[in-house]
Amino acid sequence: GAVVSQHPSWVICKSGTSVKIECRSLDFQATTMFWYRQFPKQSLMLMATSNEGSKATYEQGVEKDKFLINHASLTLSTLTVTSAHPEDSSFYICSAENRLAGAYEQFFGPGTRLTVL
Amino acid sequence: QKEVEQDPGPLSVPEGAIVSLNCTYSNSAFQYFMWYRQYSRKGPELLMYTYSSGNKEDGRFTAQVDKSSKYISLFIRDSQPSDSATYLCAMSARSGGSNYKLTFGKGTLLTVNP
Repeated sequence: GAVVSQHPSWVICKSGTSVKIECRSLDFQATTMFWYRQFPKQSLMLMATSNEGSKATYEQGVEKDKFLINHASLTLSTLTVTSAHPEDSSFYICSAENRLAGAYEQFFGPGTRLTVL
Repeated sequence: QKEVEQDPGPLSVPEGAIVSLNCTYSNSAFQYFMWYRQYSRKGPELLMYTYSSGNKEDGRFTAQVDKSSKYISLFIRDSQPSDSATYLCAMSARSGGSNYKLTFGKGTLLTVNP
């Protein structure tokens, strides 16, 4: 149980285009979803937290107009990188949590590797 | 000073060795302590979580938390080549409302040699 999927697993796009990444909880309802970014040989950095049906809460330094997050259902959250630039190239990972199951268990997706040319 | 400090390694050990991985932290608000394993180009996988000071054992893995020293450890007994991965410590504190936020260490790259 507690499987989280992400789509696509990798994407290459041209500078200036927008890219949408999907995160799905397959076998549980995710009351809260998190989006992380991980640069090579670095740790995961939290970008934003989203509760189903509410606006996302962004971490300091993360541009909310650039990284649009939607969490419209209990099983799906999307991250849209708008007007992507090469410096946005990174590994984006989502995680999902069922508040009813406990506050400490986040289940992670397999990640999406974004390369912006 | 970063909130969570973890030696990135790399750490290389022979098969069967006991591995010790450690993190220190500075934020007293951290309540939950986790260890994740991450294989290359994959998402993190939860290995262990603890709440209180003390030891927790699960198979070959033992997690240890010392809140007074702000120090956590993960021990791997009888290490196997399949344990080769990056190990991330993570700590959780309430971030506002009912949300909890994870703060990760940089990760330690472990290689277990056959």
